[in-house]
Amino acid sequence: GEDVEQSLFLSVREGDSSVINCTYTDSSSTYLYWYKQEPGAGLQLLTYIFSNMDMKQDQRLTVLLNKKDKHLSLRIADTQTGDSAIYFCAVSGNTPLVFGKGTRLSVIA
Amino acid sequence: DADVTQTPRNRITKTGKRIMLECSQTKGHDRMYWYRQDPGLGLQLIYYSFDVKDINKGEISDGYSVSRQAQAKFSLSLESAIPNQTALYFCATSETGEGTDTQYFGPGTRLTVL
Repeated sequence: GEDVEQSLFLSVREGDSSVINCTYTDSSSTYLYWYKQEPGAGLQLLTYIFSNMDMKQDQRLTVLLNKKDKHLSLRIADTQTGDSAIYFCAVSGNTPLVFGKGTRLSVIA
Repeated sequence: DADVTQTPRNRITKTGKRIMLECSQTKGHDRMYWYRQDPGLGLQLIYYSFDVKDINKGEISDGYSVSRQAQAKFSLSLESAIPNQTALYFCATSETGEGTDTQYFGPGTRLTVL
């Protein structure tokens, strides 16, 4: 079945850019998602990209998709302390979604 | 009002007790899911339902059961709770759609089994 991998931790300084990476195994994945989980809360949909795109930008967020390498990334520009959270990558194809284990982003003031 | 609600938000119980966690949604979605979250393990799918008459096991269904009472309601039961079922439980919903499975999550239920 599908396997989705993410690094578990990332630490950045406030104002820098953060890049969270994700790799997946199923090349037939059609939609790829990024979710954010703040402490004590559920998962909030941040953004998603369709598999026929290679980039999507939404304000401070940029999603890059490399289908050949099965690699997805989320770049957060001008990272703020409010961006501290766990970020989950998820891929669809054969539903339900398959989630990565999440990357905990810590922003240092 | 929240589109996906879960009750209770917190529950402490004892080993061997039967527990029911409830999920309701006002999004009109056909598909509903139950996940468990443990630190460092991400989300693990327990059960999912694509419509009222459809129930499917996920990757960790042992020790759990579900009931889809209506399109808007999906309940998760622990027939005889054990301490390693202590975790954060999330309900989610999604629309039926080809290739897409955008899921919307409830706020979670923190369950502690003593």
